[in-house]
Amino acid sequence: AQKVTQAQTEISVVEKEDVTLDCVYETRDTTYYLFWYKQPPSGELVFLIRRNSFDEQNEISGRYSWNFQKSTSSFNFTITASQVVDSAVYFCALSESIGSSNTGKLIFGQGTTLQVKP
Amino acid sequence: DGGITQSPKYLFRKEGQNVTLSCEQNLNHDAMYWYRQDPGQGLRLIYYSQIVNDFQKGDIAEGYSVSREKKESFPLTVTSAQKNPTAFYLCASSIVSLDRDQETQYFGPGTRLLVL
Repeated sequence: AQKVTQAQTEISVVEKEDVTLDCVYETRDTTYYLFWYKQPPSGELVFLIRRNSFDEQNEISGRYSWNFQKSTSSFNFTITASQVVDSAVYFCALSESIGSSNTGKLIFGQGTTLQVKP
Repeated sequence: DGGITQSPKYLFRKEGQNVTLSCEQNLNHDAMYWYRQDPGQGLRLIYYSQIVNDFQKGDIAEGYSVSREKKESFPLTVTSAQKNPTAFYLCASSIVSLDRDQETQYFGPGTRLLVL
């Protein structure tokens, strides 16, 4: 069965600290996709990144970076020099597959609530 | 502006009443999805549709119904059979890849449903 685990329920940091949000996934498929979404207090999910299982290069986008490690089935997300506006719930998601085909469905983790204090 | 709209933002349901949540997109996406989010939990898929006039049940379809008569619209009806409907409902859409890649789902602002 496919599964996404975000073990950190809540994280609290002080502004300008770096913070890493963990995501561990389970799948038997060789081809899959991983995603991160941000859910600010307004409720809408904002897409952050999509990563193919064949692309293990780390990615950096401004203060955001992602570390994809197939060997440990992890796709961790780091925010450098956190800001109050980073306060939100962050979700990691995995594409669902049946056989070798993606179903179009996403499997979400439980989310990590990040609070950045001034 | 292209995007996904959901209405209303808040919806109140009385016991035994059916209510319909609207979801419209002008992104020309083929696929649309409905998710339910309960406090402190992740998203669970209710229904999804990859093409007009066709839809499939997700993980928690009981007590819900949908229709997909137009590409841009995917309304969700919460029926009286849904005994615990209080939740935050999110609609999403995506393109459907010809080579079966998992495309990115983009989300609307959500509807919060409360039972009176």
